[in-house]
Amino acid sequence: RKEVEQDPGPFNVPEGATVAFNCTYSNSASQSFFWYRQDCRKEPKLLMSVYSSGNEDGRFTAQLNRASQYISLLIRDSKLSDSATYLCVVPNAYNNNDMRFGAGTRLTVKP
Amino acid sequence: NAGVTQTPKFRVLKTGQSMTLLCAQDMNHEYMYWYRQDPGMGLRLIHYSVGEGTTAKGEVPDGYNVSRLKKQNFLLGLESAAPSQTSVYFCASSLGMETGGLETQYFGPGTRLLVL
Repeated sequence: RKEVEQDPGPFNVPEGATVAFNCTYSNSASQSFFWYRQDCRKEPKLLMSVYSSGNEDGRFTAQLNRASQYISLLIRDSKLSDSATYLCVVPNAYNNNDMRFGAGTRLTVKP
Repeated sequence: NAGVTQTPKFRVLKTGQSMTLLCAQDMNHEYMYWYRQDPGMGLRLIHYSVGEGTTAKGEVPDGYNVSRLKKQNFLLGLESAAPSQTSVYFCASSLGMETGGLETQYFGPGTRLLVL
């Protein structure tokens, strides 16, 4: 099993839609999780950190399910500018400095 | 503040050639990282540094060397490039507090390397 797995998509949704992505991880001891956003041919940028059961920031909600070892990202009222690839990040089981990135889920929001 | 910068932006090498990628940050961050990103795969950590003069191996260190002689710079070297090293290379930095790497990483714009 990969350390971090994501549905690659693509997810194609209309403006205003609600969309959710899941990310599963194998390190049951992980305490911290991150969602990064990466635009095409650009660098990743932090979207949200998740340290407990979840986190909410405006239209974005991240939820953590420790029992099933997955993290979800929910985007409400999708905007065209939300089109990007969303990367799930989990620390390596043995080294917090070694962050493991998922391959990403691609989202396209259409008018 | 420029944040994290990388040079060069793009490079073509022939198999067996060597090169050095330069990463610089002006945020006074302690920790710096080098990743590679390949299609269909997540970013993979090559080497990292938790302070000036220190380096450590990441997930995929073979074929690469690094140096951190100054706090603001982190160099990635390829001694003898191979086609398998064709990739996009990202440098990142983070503040480096007691929690170690469990904090926001700030990425540079990337270097696209093609090895023929």
